Amino acid sequence: QVHLQESGPGLVRPSGTLSLTCVVSGGSVSSANWWSWVRQAPGKGLEWVGEIYHGGTTNYNPSLKRRVIISLDASKNQLSLNLTSVTAADTAVYYCTRVWGGGFDSWGQGTRVTVSS
Amino acid sequence: EIVLTQSPGTLSLSPGERATLSCRASQSDPNNLLVWYQQKPGQAPRLLIYGASSRATGIPDRFSGSGSGTDFTLTISSLEAEDFAVYYCQHYSGSPPMYTFGQGTRLDIK
Repeated sequence: QVHLQESGPGLVRPSGTLSLTCVVSGGSVSSANWWSWVRQAPGKGLEWVGEIYHGGTTNYNPSLKRRVIISLDASKNQLSLNLTSVTAADTAVYYCTRVWGGGFDSWGQGTRVTVSS
Repeated sequence: EIVLTQSPGTLSLSPGERATLSCRASQSDPNNLLVWYQQKPGQAPRLLIYGASSRATGIPDRFSGSGSGTDFTLTISSLEAEDFAVYYCQHYSGSPPMYTFGQGTRLDIK
């Protein structure tokens, strides 16, 4: 069973860049899977951020597309999320997930990011 | 972009009762790529149902999904204490790729 573990700074300054990593164990980011980031603002619902395929193809939520980059590092078996020009609206728990069956079958525990000065 | 509307916002029931949660899509999807999740406080969501009606691995058979087109339902046949949580529906569109979530239904103990 695949295990996902997110990590990154818990606090990011407004207008800065949010950078997170997700280490995958029990599976390979080089396998024929899509990997995705989903976020959840405090007390709110879920929002898809974007996804990446093992070959590097990416798709992003149109509302975030101008600011987000998702990448893979096969040597470290991890994926990364970079979100630029952050505002308080980007404060959320960020989840790393594996895409399967049109949804997300494996989730990390999530990492909380607060955007504040 | 498909918009998903879940109802009711909150459902208060007792253990042993039957729960019926609704998810309505703004556009019909012939592929029925509709997924349901359960989320408990402080935890990541858990995949329950995919393809509108197929249970994910390890999900008890008291959970069932149904529906097609624009109207989908998650049914919990007999509520157990651990079922009280927030439930989300989610849809996948392939062109362009987009995953959309409903706003959630909170299932509370009455």
